[in-house]
Amino acid sequence: EPEVTQTPSHQVTQMGQEVILRCVPISNHLYFYWYRQILGQKVEFLVSFYNNEISEKSEIFDDQFSVERPDGSNFTLKIRSTKLEDSAMYFCASSDIGGRSPLHFGNGTRLTVT
Amino acid sequence: SQQGEEDPQALSIQEGENATMNCSYKTSINNLQWYRQNSGRGLVHLILIRSNEREKHSGRLRVTLDTSKKSSSLLITASRAADTASYFCATDITGANSKLTFGKGITLSVRP
Repeated sequence: EPEVTQTPSHQVTQMGQEVILRCVPISNHLYFYWYRQILGQKVEFLVSFYNNEISEKSEIFDDQFSVERPDGSNFTLKIRSTKLEDSAMYFCASSDIGGRSPLHFGNGTRLTVT
Repeated sequence: SQQGEEDPQALSIQEGENATMNCSYKTSINNLQWYRQNSGRGLVHLILIRSNEREKHSGRLRVTLDTSKKSSSLLITASRAADTASYFCATDITGANSKLTFGKGITLSVRP
């Protein structure tokens, strides 16, 4: 069964550095998402992406964050000037018709900011 | 309460027993979905119930939806130790473009 893949599985970075989290969504899906989960807490929506542009973003997704689909397969989340509170699991997801269908999640990237 | 708030927060049962988890939400929805998350892993979709449906089954899972009470329940029958995980409800809010809004989750422990 097709799956969403995320790399790296774990990223350690120093405060103030930039990180890029990578995702390969399921190939025929049209909607792409980033969510994050601080340890043991709720799964928080960051951004959704459709038709090569952001369709919705949360208050968390400020100027520090950006997303890109640089080619036909990858979907990236860039976090500039990382802060300690950015430490979390970041999940990429994709779906074929948005929220009206199941989301398929990757196994996440654990970001640790020191 | 928040959109997609589950209860209880934690549930511990014996293998073979049934597990019932509840979810309440605040606004009108197109559908409600339940997901499972094993420790340190991604979320896995379990079942989707549309706003015009009242009950849905999938294997040992039974989901109900009461739109008048803005609530849903997930029943896992004849639980197994392998059902130990966190369970989340997620709502596709009417007019909300494309995202799903997740609750805080329920930690289910099934004792062998």
